[in-house]
Order: sequence, then C-alpha cells, then structure tokens
Amino acid sequence: GESVGLHLPTLSVQEGDNSIINCAYSNSASDYFIWYKQESGKGPQFIIDIRSNMDKRQGQRVTVLLNKTVKHLSLQIAATQPGDSAVYFCAEKEANNLFFGTGTRLTVIP
Amino acid sequence: DTAVSQTPKYLVTQMGNDKSIKCEQNLGHDTMYWYKQDSKKFLKIMFSYNNKELIINETVPNRFSPKSPDKAHLNLHINSLELGDSAVYFCASSPGTGFFYEQYFGPGTRLTVT
Repeated sequence: GESVGLHLPTLSVQEGDNSIINCAYSNSASDYFIWYKQESGKGPQFIIDIRSNMDKRQGQRVTVLLNKTVKHLSLQIAATQPGDSAVYFCAEKEANNLFFGTGTRLTVIP
Repeated sequence: DTAVSQTPKYLVTQMGNDKSIKCEQNLGHDTMYWYKQDSKKFLKIMFSYNNKELIINETVPNRFSPKSPDKAHLNLHINSLELGDSAVYFCASSPGTGFFYEQYFGPGTRLTVT
C-alpha cells in the first residue's frame, strides 16, 4: 500500500490555542480518510472522517480539511484543552484496506 | 459497560511459546479486526472478519491464526512466538465492512516476547 505520513512527529501548543496536525498521503485513489486520537495506554478513538468528495468537515471543536490536489489532510482542534494531549493518527482508505500514518504527539501546555 | 474488551492486557512470554489473545465486543457489530502497533506507534491491520468470515488477511506470518467462534468474538492465536512479535495488539469492531464505518478499538494487549 501507499505510505501515509505526517509532517511533524510532535506538536506542543498552549492551552486555549488552536492546533493543526498535518498528514500527507500518496495514493490519489484513496476515497476516505479518518483521524484517530490515541491516549496513553488506550486504543485509538475515532475523531472525525471525510470522504474524498468533500474538502472540509466540521465536528465539535475539530475540523478536517482535505486538499486532494496536493494530497494533504489536516486536523484542526479549536481551543485546545489538556485532555486533547494524545497521539493523533490519520488513516487512508485505499481499496479494501486502511493504512495508518505514523502519528503526531500533541502536548498541551497548561 | 466495555464495548470492546481484550484479555489479557499484558502478556509476557518466551520465544517459541504459543499464546492467545481474546477479544469480545458487545456492540452487536458485524465486523471485527486485529491490528498490530509496534514500538514506534505504527498501526497496521492484520485481519478483518465479517460475521465470522475472514475478509482481510494482510501479509502476516501463518503463525498468526485468528478464530471467530461467533460474531461477537475474534481471538488471535500466535504459534512459535518470536522477538519481533513484541507489540501492542488491538482488537476493533465496526457495524459494517469497507472501512466506511467508525471502528471501536479495544484497550490493547501488550505482548512482550523475551
């Protein structure tokens, strides 16, 4: 499968600021993307998803942006809170499989 | 109530042994998965079952054998354990196949092979 990578392995933000986590993918045929959050000692938790026919999708305090031209995906977290500290993964659906990126560790500074 | 549960949470064993990890989901989902997460946090799918039938079998050594006695359970049996099998193994479930459905992950089983 194609690789799914992240620009930054770690990200530190001040509490209350907005966070942006980026992800690059390489397969233009991928039709579905997901962001997961993984807290220490726990399994990944679904945050938000987006299909390839969309550019933007919003959830509660989170927004996913998809730029198919440059094959780039981002997760924006508004008003970051200490509870947002975790590793964030993007995942790319390619045909009948799901490929995860390497993860970005987000640390929220109180 | 735990949606997806795995046992054991920690498993330490020696090379060459055979071990099993159990997974159960009480969400009524049709599809279950096994993932492996290595020391660098890289997460990779191993198997996927839908209504007890295997639908995805990634490039995994045949020492790994999933077994689904019913659609609420998907166990993972590993024969002749090797050092490289050390990882965290996650079970997950979803309402349907094709990855368009939200997956619910278990808490993971940390396997250490010495």
